[in-house]
Amino acid sequence: GAGVSQTPSNKVTEKGKYVELRCDPISGHTALYWYRQSLGQGPEFLIYFQGTGAADDSGLPNDRFFAVRPEGSVSTLKIQRTERGDSAVYLCASSLSPEAFFGQGTRLTVV
Amino acid sequence: RKEVEQDPGPFNVPEGATVAFNCTYSNSASQSFFWYRQDCRKEPKLLMSVYSSGNEDGRFTAQLNRASQYISLLIRDSKLSDSATYLCVVNGGTSYGKLTFGQGTILTVHP
Repeated sequence: GAGVSQTPSNKVTEKGKYVELRCDPISGHTALYWYRQSLGQGPEFLIYFQGTGAADDSGLPNDRFFAVRPEGSVSTLKIQRTERGDSAVYLCASSLSPEAFFGQGTRLTVV
Repeated sequence: RKEVEQDPGPFNVPEGATVAFNCTYSNSASQSFFWYRQDCRKEPKLLMSVYSSGNEDGRFTAQLNRASQYISLLIRDSKLSDSATYLCVVNGGTSYGKLTFGQGTILTVHP
């Protein structure tokens, strides 16, 4: 399909482990966003890329979180030393115009 | 103060009712405004952009008041299928391109 693709759709990991979440944006979209959403809350901004560079990473909660987009297309969100509080749905979106389109998210559960 | 604040909800209305949601934003430099819809355990989907002159799409009308930093969404003739969470989204301000979401307002339309 032509939409934003996120993998895996679900990830269960043990506390302290490292995880990588992948986002494949809509072809040609220069902007890519990562958000985190907990139950009953709106999406919380993490980081935003324009091309390969992080235009705004002010939402990353701490240095355990890192994201890359080396070729200006696919992006990976990396979480080190996962904690139970990291459990949430991680949403990726891409955009060419102001409107952004979301993938279905990765549901991360840290046990 | 949160950057984007929405009516707390939830709203429970009968089919055919008219319902209005409000949203305020704190950053006067914000440039683009949107309403997204999110169904349970799904990703947010763009419902409509909001323009200064106001805009309408079928049963949905969006209004923007820049002076009051206020956005609204009106749904007429509510359908059961309108039941969802409605998210107010603001783009720009200090970080152009960054989308900031409100916490969402839950709408339930009942027969």
